[in-house]
Amino acid sequence: QSALTQPASVSGSPGQSITISCTGTSSDVGSYNLVSWYQQHPGKAPKLMIYEGSKRPSGVSNRFSGSKSGNTASLTISGLQAEDEADYYCCSYAGSSFWVFGGGTKLTVL
Amino acid sequence: QLQLQESGPGLVKPSETLSLTCTVSGGSISSSSYYWGWIRQPPGKGLEWIGSIYYSGSTYYNPSLKSRVTISVDTSKNQFSLKLSSVTAADTAVYYCAGTINDAFDIWGQGTMVTVSS
Repeated sequence: QSALTQPASVSGSPGQSITISCTGTSSDVGSYNLVSWYQQHPGKAPKLMIYEGSKRPSGVSNRFSGSKSGNTASLTISGLQAEDEADYYCCSYAGSSFWVFGGGTKLTVL
Repeated sequence: QLQLQESGPGLVKPSETLSLTCTVSGGSISSSSYYWGWIRQPPGKGLEWIGSIYYSGSTYYNPSLKSRVTISVDTSKNQFSLKLSSVTAADTAVYYCAGTINDAFDIWGQGTMVTVSS
């Protein structure tokens, strides 16, 4: 199993929208609608933001949305806010009860 | 509300076994609604899934760690545990326990830093 591929960094200004991609293979992202996204602030535990590709847990802002096309999943954050600055990780089910994470993307709010 | 808390030594010697425990509160570890996992994060690096255990007791491990990992459950204490044998400096990381509800890692512990050093 190889880690999913994410851009190392993305940036945007307050109020703008950004998208973070997460590229896997036909064995993980492409085969299952079980991609999740996590937000991690420095020194803190990750927080689930999106599950099953596009669903938001209770309490997560609707500014966060997820989608998938083929072997690539995406996280979009609209109306960027300073508090959104964090690291973001994708994760996909890879079959046989295995899970694989992406390498992480650092979001900078300019 | 489900809460998880890791505990264990913060320093382990090379070649020894790392042992961590995750205490679950706010829910039963035996419930079929959840399954449990361990994830680690080396300093300055990304997240790595270590393995998961289901309410049935079935375990699944990252192939890259499988030969060294054991995850188990103690239902009497509402805890699950991680053992990683023959550790090296490469195993230095923050170790998180997590609970899965929606086929994702919904609930996370605060994490515990484990350093492998003599």
